Amino acid sequence: SAVISQKPSRDICQRGTSLTIQCQVDSQVTMMFWYRQQPGQSLTLIATANQGSEATYESGFVIDKFPISRPNLTFSTLTVSNMSPEDSSIYLCSVDRTGQLNTEAFFGQGTRLTVV
Amino acid sequence: GENVEQHPSTLSVQEGDSAVIKCTYSDSASNYFPWYKQELGKGPQLIIDIRSNVGEKKDQRIAVTLNKTAKHFSLHITETQPEDSAVYFCAASRAGSGYALNFGKGTSLLVTP
Repeated sequence: SAVISQKPSRDICQRGTSLTIQCQVDSQVTMMFWYRQQPGQSLTLIATANQGSEATYESGFVIDKFPISRPNLTFSTLTVSNMSPEDSSIYLCSVDRTGQLNTEAFFGQGTRLTVV
Repeated sequence: GENVEQHPSTLSVQEGDSAVIKCTYSDSASNYFPWYKQELGKGPQLIIDIRSNVGEKKDQRIAVTLNKTAKHFSLHITETQPEDSAVYFCAASRAGSGYALNFGKGTSLLVTP
């Protein structure tokens, strides 16, 4: 399995401010993904973080609101910008460890964000 | 895009009974089907997965079956224990090409002693 560390684990933020979430993986991975899980809901993909290129965003998510960095093959950050109470969610980092025959997707423990 | 439906949304069983959660998917190109268990305050934990070249996979009390023709797959938990209580998510993906997971809406499983 992959060991994924996310920081912070939780935070309470004022509306209008920004929060940067860090994701560190214990080995090099090609693809890193950021998901959002709203209270009591399933997981929705925000974007795919590619090393050496811009992130690829899903419909409904834009770079100005959720800028992503991927400086190397073991690290990525997601920023939630200009926050509003609707941004209160769990944000999860995931990696896709792909071999010749097998792929497994692992998640960090998540960042529980509350915007007040 | 891929659409994953999951049923039931809630499931309550007595300890020792079996629990079955079912999912259907729409994209015939999907070939990787993981199941995740999420406990309160934690991230999803991969518990078992199956690939399209396999019809069934078992790991102790947990098994997953896949019917590619019908585009559905199921999670089976036997001899349930109270610690199995959690939210379970199914997902589908085209593995190996960088495609992300498409999740079902989750099943809240409660195992009562």
